[in-house]
Amino acid sequence: QSVLTQPPSASGTPGQRVTISCSGTSSNIGSNIVNWYQQLPRAAPKLLIYTNDQRPSGIPDRFSGSKSGTSASLAITGLRSEDEADYFCAAWDDNLNARVFGGGTKLTVL
Amino acid sequence: QITLKESGPTLVKPTQTLTLTCTFSGFSLRSSGVGVGWIRQPPGKALECLAFIFWNDEKRYSPSLKSRLTITKDTSKNQVVLIMTNMDPVDTATYYCAHSAYSIGLGFDYWGQGTLVTVSS
Repeated sequence: QSVLTQPPSASGTPGQRVTISCSGTSSNIGSNIVNWYQQLPRAAPKLLIYTNDQRPSGIPDRFSGSKSGTSASLAITGLRSEDEADYFCAAWDDNLNARVFGGGTKLTVL
Repeated sequence: QITLKESGPTLVKPTQTLTLTCTFSGFSLRSSGVGVGWIRQPPGKALECLAFIFWNDEKRYSPSLKSRLTITKDTSKNQVVLIMTNMDPVDTATYYCAHSAYSIGLGFDYWGQGTLVTVSS
């Protein structure tokens, strides 16, 4: 049972906009920044979004992050087949004094 | 260019101690605001942050595994070592080390390729 809650799956067709949610509490998302990772099959995770809504260099602006209260969201616009991957959110938890991850969302491009 | 690589045994027996080494290049753990973390992922499951060490030798551990973990750094060798005691089959996972920094919200922006550790007698 992950501390941060994500839907196990999401799907969309090419060109569509898809959002993935990440729900937490006041001790994690509510008081700390959120990062998002993309993990392609059989690969190490890749940092997609840091500090809630910032993109590392090289990450296309099709990917965007947002945070409100104790929830965060990752949005992907202009969905492509290569976006098919697992997506994880992460945040620091003040109560646990540790970094916690969401359970991951498997995105399928139909 | 930042690179990291994990090394260690691929198979350990239950109750044994696992020692993993992360050898990195392209950055220094003497630099303010920099850190290295160990993250694991059981097959088909979610990521779990095990331990983190900062440039100033401050350390953080997963609360549920804290009694079994030790993280250390050797800045002269550009290495970070993770020791996990009393291994169990449920610890079977791919273990990653990754670079982090305050400048990127302590996200992990560079990852090693990972090493699969199987715990079995």
